[in-house]
Amino acid sequence: EAQVTQNPRYLITVTGKKLTVTCSQNMNHEYMSWYRQDPGLGLRQIYYSMNVEVTDKGDVPEGYKVSRKEKRNFPLILESPSPNQTSLYFCASSPFGEPQHFGDGTRLSIL
Amino acid sequence: RKEVEQDPGPFNVPEGATVAFNCTYSNSASQSFFWYRQDCRKEPKLLMSVYSSGNEDGRFTAQLNRASQYISLLIRDSKLSDSATYLCVVNEGTYKYIFGTGTRLKVLA
Repeated sequence: EAQVTQNPRYLITVTGKKLTVTCSQNMNHEYMSWYRQDPGLGLRQIYYSMNVEVTDKGDVPEGYKVSRKEKRNFPLILESPSPNQTSLYFCASSPFGEPQHFGDGTRLSIL
Repeated sequence: RKEVEQDPGPFNVPEGATVAFNCTYSNSASQSFFWYRQDCRKEPKLLMSVYSSGNEDGRFTAQLNRASQYISLLIRDSKLSDSATYLCVVNEGTYKYIFGTGTRLKVLA
């Protein structure tokens, strides 16, 4: 079954404690991206990757890092999380560019 | 001015009605356009791409008006299962996708 898998689905943590949200796709897609969704603001693109070792900033990259060492994985790293990064996060993949397959989402609460 | 604007709704319509949403975008150089559907607390799902010539998929029709910089989504014969939030997405090139905040649709029995 074609899918994008994010982990964890829910996480409550504290300010400053590094965390990683994993994203994995099994469709051999070249394009992957991360979004955050906040009430009244919609989905905003954090980072995207066009292929292995090729990443670029989206609209709201501050406070986040990504890596693309393998085609299937695109982890989102928060080195020093802060409360303003409390949000619902989605990973997406696509063979072309427009996000076609989204993961189920990760709800992060940073206290 | 927001880059992509949508009326948040909600649009409350009876089953069987026809409903239309518009979405305006500010960047005249925008290259491609899409509609997504998002159910409450779920991931967005690609509904359809929007071509210059317009396109239709069953009860759904999407149109693009480049001169006025808006796209539209028409849903005919609304079903209860169409209740969701509809997101407009604009591609500004180089893999950058801007999402609107969505229009909420409630189809009532």
